[in-house]
Amino acid sequence: GAGVSQSPSNKVTEKGKDVELRCDPISGHTALYWYRQSLGQGLEFLIYFQGNSAPDKSGLPSDRFSAERTGGSVSTLTIQRTQQEDSAVYLCASSHLRGQGVNEKLFFGSGTQLSVL
Amino acid sequence: QKEVEQDPGPLSVPEGAIVSLNCTYSNSAFQYFMWYRQYSRKGPELLMYTYSSGNKEDGRFTAQVDKSSKYISLFIRDSQPSDSATYLCAMMNTGFQKLVFGTGTRLLVSP
Repeated sequence: GAGVSQSPSNKVTEKGKDVELRCDPISGHTALYWYRQSLGQGLEFLIYFQGNSAPDKSGLPSDRFSAERTGGSVSTLTIQRTQQEDSAVYLCASSHLRGQGVNEKLFFGSGTQLSVL
Repeated sequence: QKEVEQDPGPLSVPEGAIVSLNCTYSNSAFQYFMWYRQYSRKGPELLMYTYSSGNKEDGRFTAQVDKSSKYISLFIRDSQPSDSATYLCAMMNTGFQKLVFGTGTRLLVSP
């Protein structure tokens, strides 16, 4: 596809259930990011992938959050035993890593709106 | 204290006005400064990118960075209703792979 694709666009779940959020990055982009956006909080970094490895997962809020990336492409963010404070928009972004190692241009998907009741 | 501070607004202006959006930051190691625009129910899109201090102009948009004051600005000339969106500043150290974002300023341009 032409852009970053995320699914589902909306997810309503009950407290305590597990959820999986999917991200399809732009073809050929080696770097993939997950961010979380809550009202009035801006974008909160969660995890960064370079290829299939995650050199920086410092933003994951707790061990209930995990993410993987396979084939250097699709990524899945999993939240176990969801809590109401997990309600937010989860955004995925991809970029092509430049030679000097600085990614200044991230292409974002439209996000998954997660609501935990 | 957050690393990046940004007034959430909303900022309401009439069509044709000059808009000034600003961010302050505390980390003197930031070298790369960006402005993203986010429409409702969409992901952010890169608007302007500046390295270190100085100005950059692109059409109706001008980005300014003052590293001595740890202050960055985005100016929009001849604002249009289609400019109504949330504007997020973002910045990064050299060698780091993640952007640190401000909370975003919501801009409303009325016809």
